[in-house]
Amino acid sequence: QQQVKQSPQSLIVQKGGISIINCAYENTAFDYFPWYQQFPGKGPALLIAIRPDVSEKKEGRFTISFNKSAKQFSLHIMDSQPGDSATYFCATRSGAGANNLFFGTGTRLTVIP
Amino acid sequence: DSGVTQTPKHLITATGQRVTLRCSPRSGDLSVYWYQQSLDQGLQFLIQYYNGEERAKGNILERFSAQQFPDLHSELNLSSLELGDSALYFCASSALSGNEQFFGPGTRLTVL
Repeated sequence: QQQVKQSPQSLIVQKGGISIINCAYENTAFDYFPWYQQFPGKGPALLIAIRPDVSEKKEGRFTISFNKSAKQFSLHIMDSQPGDSATYFCATRSGAGANNLFFGTGTRLTVIP
Repeated sequence: DSGVTQTPKHLITATGQRVTLRCSPRSGDLSVYWYQQSLDQGLQFLIQYYNGEERAKGNILERFSAQQFPDLHSELNLSSLELGDSALYFCASSALSGNEQFFGPGTRLTVL
């Protein structure tokens, strides 16, 4: 059972454009929503994370939008660059004392120069 | 560089064999997590240790086991290997049990 559903599976964006990746979850006990970036041959790297008491968090060109009532959250990459080409994973964590992450299936982003 | 180290980087072995993957967490981190990444299952949590004790278990097979040593490094033992165990195995660490997790570079296991 997939705890978090991620879309799209792949995304192609022009340089300078906005990349948007969406995730949806069901379990309202989830208390932490990170996004990870993974380059080929590397481990996932924490990009940005949000907790459900805020609706938006911005770090540089990366923004998480969080909609608690809809149980959805999304990653926006502004002014997308070729160096942003990677696979992006959303994740969630149960707040019931467990700290393991449940990952989405990943979105392969390609930014065309 | 996350500060988490994993060895070996690549491992090729045969079905039925046993292997050990090693992870050293970031300096000061007490929690270690193991994840498996495969094409069909994605990134799946296997097991967590906190300061030497098992804290949580995920989709870890009975053929797999792990431990965390007093110096906080961890080992994941995979036995009676099957073709389907071929995957990337990642270790992650965090300072406390609930903090952000930082991933190592992974060990690519190929079972022939």
